[in-house]
Formats: sequence, structure tokens, C-alpha cells
Amino acid sequence: QKEVEQNSGPLSVPEGAIASLNCTYSDRGSQSFFWYRQYSGKSPELIMFIYSNGDKEDGRFTAQLNKASQYVSLLIRDSQPSDSATYLCAVNIGGNAGNMLTFGGGTRLMVKP
Amino acid sequence: GAVVSQHPSWVICKSGTSVKIECRSLDFQATTMFWYRQFPKQSLMLMATSNEGSKATYEQGVEKDKFLINHASLTLSTLTVTSAHPEDSSFYICSAAGGKNIQYFGAGTRLSVL
Repeated sequence: QKEVEQNSGPLSVPEGAIASLNCTYSDRGSQSFFWYRQYSGKSPELIMFIYSNGDKEDGRFTAQLNKASQYVSLLIRDSQPSDSATYLCAVNIGGNAGNMLTFGGGTRLMVKP
Repeated sequence: GAVVSQHPSWVICKSGTSVKIECRSLDFQATTMFWYRQFPKQSLMLMATSNEGSKATYEQGVEKDKFLINHASLTLSTLTVTSAHPEDSSFYICSAAGGKNIQYFGAGTRLSVL
């Protein structure tokens, strides 16, 4: 079982819709959670991070964390074609792991005009 | 967000030569730097973790004598691919982390070995 799992997609949504990206993790002691966006041929770019249960909003992006169910999600409101990319979920388990992140395989999002 | 500079962005070299890639944190001190490799349409693969002033920790299957990592200061880490071969052609990406476990990525280096 992978430590961080994401549906590889592609997830296709029409422009203006809400895109919902999900991620589950196996280590119950995980402490920090990150969403990165990676355009084709480019390196990952940090979008959001969340540490506490609940929602965290930043512009059109909302990260949701549920530690009891061990999932973290990213909602993108008013999706734009420029949001089309692969979204990587990453988890830090804390402790001896230091700053190391465990990445999911990524979900490819396609926003169609 | 914090800025991480990675150079060169693209390098083409002959088989058997060595290539050095630099990774710099420009506006923060990075306690830890990471080196990843990514093949087309595949996930990021962590190669090694490096802390300033100490030896890098390599992931299983990554040859430390082939991928030399130096982390001389809190703002600079280098990866040298020694005696590169065509199978080493890939997208190499560094990241730097300061506090809060947040990793910021460099722009990546695309290596093509002829």
C-alpha cells in the first residue's frame, strides 16, 4: 500500500466549475500536508499547506484536512484552463523524517473551455 | 514564497563526462536540501537528502559514487552526475527547506546525455 495515494486522473472539469482533488495517507502520525502544482515539463510549485483539521482558504483554493479519516483535499473554485496541470499531494510525518515529504503520484487536472 | 535558484536549466553532454548542477536558496537559509529525479510522465523520485556540513543520505538504489552531493553552506547544494550515460538523461529537481517543513523547488535541470 502506497503511503500517499491519489487518483491519477485525468480529472476533467468544465471552465468555471469546482475541481475537487483528493489524497489519502497511511501514516496516522502525519503532521503537515502540502499541495503542489506541476505544469508539464516544469518543476512543482507550492500552492497550499495545512497543518490543522478543517479548511484553509487562499483565493480560489481551499485545502481540507481530516486527520481522523486520513485524507486531505484541494478544491479549486471557478476553474480556469490555466489550472490544467498535475497536482501533487505531499505529507510530512514529522519526527525523524525532518523536512522530508512523501509525495503521491499526482492527479492530472484538465479544465476544458 | 521563498526562491530557489537551480542552474543550469538545460544541459547536453557526451557520454562519460560529468555534469554539475547547482541549487541555491536565495532569500532563506535551507537547513535541508533535497534532490529528485523525474522521468517523463512519472512521479518525483527522491534521490538524496542533504544537510549543510554533513554527508548526504541517499535513497535505496541511488549510487552515491555516481551522484555526488555537496552541501557546503546553508544556501548552496550541488549535484554532480559523474561519468554520465544516456540512461541518466532525466529531469533533475532540487528543493530547499527551512522551517515549517516546507519544501520550495528549483526550476529543474533537464539533462540529455548523448
